[in-house]
This record gives sequence, structure tokens and C-alpha cells, in this order.
Amino acid sequence: GAVVSQHPSWVICKSGTSVKIECRSLDFQATTMFWYRQFPKQSLMLMATSNEGSKATYEQGVEKDKFLINHASLTLSTLTVTSAHPEDSSFYICSARMGASGQETQYFGPGTRLLVL
Amino acid sequence: GQNIDQPTEMTATEGAIVQINCTYQTSGFNGLFWYQQHAGEAPTFLSYNVLDGLEEKGRFSSFLSRSKGYSYLLLKELQMKDSASYLCAVLTGRRALTFGSGTRLQVQP
Repeated sequence: GAVVSQHPSWVICKSGTSVKIECRSLDFQATTMFWYRQFPKQSLMLMATSNEGSKATYEQGVEKDKFLINHASLTLSTLTVTSAHPEDSSFYICSARMGASGQETQYFGPGTRLLVL
Repeated sequence: GQNIDQPTEMTATEGAIVQINCTYQTSGFNGLFWYQQHAGEAPTFLSYNVLDGLEEKGRFSSFLSRSKGYSYLLLKELQMKDSASYLCAVLTGRRALTFGSGTRLQVQP
């Protein structure tokens, strides 16, 4: 299957700092990538849809000024958590959409575990 | 609004068959996905149904009835490594995935 990578795989930072997470599609081009967040024992919650060359679309309740998304190329999307706080500690997962309508799927990256102290 | 329901937990015996059900009510429907997720890892793709009927892939099969808003994932010849969470997700009109809460499957010897 298609490969999606994320970097870093885990990060520990102090409260108030910013953290950048990269999501790359390694063997295909993805015009659309998605960012999800997953808290322990809960399911994935969509945060935003990242579109190459345009602004991201954020889900209700997700602060766009806090979670900055940039989709600079067809293989790279970045999520920056600005001024991180302990409540932002979570498992952040990206996915990349592949295939045409009716035959598409989403492949997930391995996730980034963020711990804010 | 979006509503996707699946059982929270299930237990089954190694070698047996288990069916995990999923019902959904969403705004827009462009297909239903099943993913497997082991603890601490990202989800891995299992199946995609966009038309009614059964899709079979090895030990895993997935069924969809769009008129009933219903799907199930069937796992045959269960193995210990199948112990994981199984996530039902609907591709909505905005082409984003909305996930159910997941079903934690425990396979016992």
C-alpha cells in the first residue's frame, strides 16, 4: 500500500513552545491531506483538511491560529502547534487521500505523540 | 449531524469468526471504511465499500447496506494478532472521514 510518513514520531516540549509536525506522502502525490487528533481510548477526531496551494479547512472548535497548517507541495503538509499547553498533549495523525472518486482511500501516517510539560 | 455507532468491546476465541457491526447517520455518504488500529499505532486500512454488498479480502470481509445505514466487518479464523481496535469510518460529502468510537476486540486462546 501507499506510504505516508510523519516526523517526528514523538516530541516532548515545554508549555508555551511551538511544535511542527511533518506529513509526507512518499510514493504518491496527495492534493488533500487530513490531520486528526486522538486522545487515549478515544477515536480519531478530524481537525482540518489540508489542501495543496490553498488554505486549510478547519473543523468546528479547532482554533486555526493555534494549529497552523501548510500544504506547500503535493507530498508535504505541516501542522504547527503554537504555544502548546498540556491539554494539547495527544496523538496527532495525518492521512493522505489517494485515488479517484469512488475508488479512493486514505492512508495514515504512523502518528506523532506530543507531550507538553 | 454525524452519528456512527459500533460496539465498544467484543471478545472472541482464537480460530472463531466474529462480526463487528456499524450503523451510521451522516450528512453525505461517499463510502465506508474499516481500519484496524493496534494500541499506540496509527490505523491501517482494511476495506472500503461504496456499493451495497459484500467485499471479501482474505480472512476479512466487509458488508454494506446503504439503505439501512449499516455495515459489518467479518473476521474469520481469528488469530491472537487480530486483537486490536476496529474503526468504522464514513467518507462524508466533504470527503473527510468521520470515525466511530471503535470496537476493541480481544481474542482469547
